[in-house]
Parts: sequence; C-alpha cells; structure tokens
Amino acid sequence: GENVEQHPSTLSVQEGDSAVIKCTYSDSASNYFPWYKQELGKRPQLIIDIRSNVGEKKDQRIAVTLNKTAKHFSLHITETQPEDSAVYFCAASKGSNYQLIWGAGTKLIIKP
Amino acid sequence: EAEVAQSPRYKITEKSQAVAFWCDPISGHATLYWYRQILGQGPELLVQFQDESVVDDSQLPKDRFSAERLKGVDSTLKIQPAELGDSAMYLCASSLARGTGNTEAFFGQGTRLTVV
Repeated sequence: GENVEQHPSTLSVQEGDSAVIKCTYSDSASNYFPWYKQELGKRPQLIIDIRSNVGEKKDQRIAVTLNKTAKHFSLHITETQPEDSAVYFCAASKGSNYQLIWGAGTKLIIKP
Repeated sequence: EAEVAQSPRYKITEKSQAVAFWCDPISGHATLYWYRQILGQGPELLVQFQDESVVDDSQLPKDRFSAERLKGVDSTLKIQPAELGDSAMYLCASSLARGTGNTEAFFGQGTRLTVV
C-alpha cells in the first residue's frame, strides 16, 4: 500500500526566512496531495493542495511543488511569520478510494 | 460556513466502560473518516465510509471498536470496553469525494478521550 514519509520532523527558522518541508510517496497511482496545518489543540486545516496534472501551485506565501517522476512533493513557506508556527502534515491519495495516507508531521518553529 | 460537528468535545471514562462518539459531516459529503490522534503524532485512520459502506477499517481494533453510518449521513464510533491506551483525540472528517476525484477533507473539532 501507499506510504508517505515526511522530513524533517522539526524545523526551526528565523522569522522572515523561508521554510521547506518535503514528503515522498510510494504509490505512483497517487494523484492528490494536500497539506494540512494543525495548531496546538486545534483541528487540522487544509492550507494548499495539488493534483498530479500540475507541477506547482502558489497561494500568497505558500507554494507546493510536485515531482511525479521522483514521487516527492514539497511545501514552501516564504517570509515566515510567528503565526506559521504549527505542525504541518502532508498526505497522498488515489482517486479510486479517496483514502488519505498521512505523513508523520513536521513541527515548524518560527524564531523571533 | 458549514462545519463537521462532533460530540462530545471531552469525555472522561473509566477503563472497561463503554464510550461513544458522534459525528455529523458537512451536508452532501459522501466520504466520512474517523481518525485517532495521539499527542505529537499524525492522524491514524480508524475507519473510512463512502456513503453508508465501509471502505477501509483495516486499522480498527474490531474486538473493542465499532463504527456505523447507517443512513450514510451521521456516524457513531463506539469503544467497549475502553482501555487506558485509548486515551487520545478522536477526529472525524468528511469530504465531498463523489465522482469528482479527491477533494478537501474537513475536520471536526474532535473528541478528547481520557480513560482513567
């Protein structure tokens, strides 16, 4: 079955710098890759997603890139701000069953 | 804005007792997921429904856990008997996911279970 690996487990960056979180997946049939942000004590919320027919998607300071050949996708956050501090989860899914396979999460710490 | 509703928000129960959680997904959402999340870890899928049918319950401890979505709308997750290791956040999520490919999964606020 599908397996999603996420790195790093913890990422500490200076406020204003960029942060990059990477995920790899094993099933080449996966075609949907969402990223969720979970603040302490709150529910996961979608921040951006990408489908396999595109290589990059941007939404203001957040971008996701997908390399289908290498089977990896990455989350890029530019000009980081204190409110970006949270745990970020990647996931992968196939259209056939809508099952989401989750990465283990990355704790992002923004240093003032 | 439509939300996934879960109740209760918090539950404290003694081990060996029964406990039940309820989830009402966003109207029209075909897919419903129950996840368990232990602090510091990612969500672990317990069961996934497509309408009223179970799509995946391979990680559901079926000796003590059961889940149903009888009319393909709201859902109940039950644990009987509860064990200390069941203490966790139980999250319900739903997505439209009907013939349109994958779509965003919306999460409820979760039920924080403490087994004492």
